[in-house]
Amino acid sequence: QVQLVESGGGVVQPGRSLRLSCAASGFTFSNYGMHWVRQAPGKGLEWVAVISYEGSNKNYADSVKGRFTISRDNSKNTLYLQMNSLRAEDTAVYYCAKEREATPAMDVWGQGTTVTVSS
Amino acid sequence: SYELTQPPSVSVSPGQTARITCSGDALPKKYAYWYQQKSGQAPVLVISEDSKRPSGIPERFSGSSSGTMATLTISGAQVEDEADYYCYSTDSSANHRGVFGTGTKVTVL
Repeated sequence: QVQLVESGGGVVQPGRSLRLSCAASGFTFSNYGMHWVRQAPGKGLEWVAVISYEGSNKNYADSVKGRFTISRDNSKNTLYLQMNSLRAEDTAVYYCAKEREATPAMDVWGQGTTVTVSS
Repeated sequence: SYELTQPPSVSVSPGQTARITCSGDALPKKYAYWYQQKSGQAPVLVISEDSKRPSGIPERFSGSSSGTMATLTISGAQVEDEADYYCYSTDSSANHRGVFGTGTKVTVL
């Protein structure tokens, strides 16, 4: 079955870096755009970034642009989110999600990985 | 930045109809999508492209869009439909950045 499994979350100090990974299985990963979405404790969903199926096109939310980098390795069926210069407000559950075919929306989500930015 | 506005909460009795609105300036040109998120779980897509119901989603969920407002309707709401609901769309820029609505807590009691 289609599955996404995030990893790499943890507790990190402000200003430090962290890299999240998302392992995909059960579908042809290289055919689909992929997203990162986050949810701060007790708050709503926030779209973070998207990458095209082959990795050439990337877009970011203003809140992370210049600090976060989305990438993918289609040979490993893995999506990444490199997070630099982390701030307290980046504390959230981070979800990776597969793009629904021919739409900019997401139809399959992982269970999320928690990032806590605290000194 | 682009915003999608939803009412914070909607209450409905079991078997009645719940309607959740989503307002955004780009909605006349962009599709709306709807997600259901139950406590402690990942979101689930319940409506795609304004009104399409993905496989496995009950028929009581429907969507529509007119002008700057999209609407999710739950006809004959069930207790298990109690959840947070978010609309989603993209902005009108060439970058097509995603944006979620502010979220609506649906209470069925």
